[in-house]
Amino acid sequence: AQKITQTQPGMFVQEKEAVTLDCTYDTSDQSYGLFWYKQPSSGEMIFLIYQGSYDEQNATEGRYSLNFQKARKSANLVISASQLGDSAMYFCAMRLLTGGFKTIFGAGTRLFVKA
Amino acid sequence: AAGVIQSPRHLIKEKRETATLKCYPIPRHDTVYWYQQGPGQDPQFLISFYEKMQSDKGSIPDRFSAQQFSDYHSELNMSSLELGDSALYFCASSQWTGTETQYFGPGTRLLVL
Repeated sequence: AQKITQTQPGMFVQEKEAVTLDCTYDTSDQSYGLFWYKQPSSGEMIFLIYQGSYDEQNATEGRYSLNFQKARKSANLVISASQLGDSAMYFCAMRLLTGGFKTIFGAGTRLFVKA
Repeated sequence: AAGVIQSPRHLIKEKRETATLKCYPIPRHDTVYWYQQGPGQDPQFLISFYEKMQSDKGSIPDRFSAQQFSDYHSELNMSSLELGDSALYFCASSQWTGTETQYFGPGTRLLVL
């Protein structure tokens, strides 16, 4: 069975510093996609970044980058130059790309950015 | 850019009543997903549709049903509502392009009294 583990319930970071949010996953499938979403207190789910299991390069989207270590089954999100507006809940998610559309989420990490 | 539309945004129902949530995916997106997010919880996958056919099923109660129509909009029907059904219900859509990135709607906040 697939599983996503986010071991940091909460994280603090100083404004303008970088922060890494951890995500490990478990699957025996070779073809999967990993996603990170941001959920502010307003409740919407905002897509941040995607990494495919066959992608050799780490994904980057502006201030977001994904540190993908396939052998360790980890897909950590790195946010550079944190801003106050980055304070939110962050979810790591995985979808197998063969044989189904089910997507599983981790428990999330709440990030607090301090001024 | 067009986003996923969900209606209603808020809904209050009594126990044992029924509710219908609607989702309008991003144009040209062929896959719709439904999720339930309880307070302080991560989103739980309920069901998905690809090209109007049910493609996968998660932890959706038997009291719930869903379908995708010819115009690709989807509806989640919930009957015999229970207090525990109070949650934020998200619809997401994606396009079969390889990345399968799911874009979420704003959600419907359901409160069952």
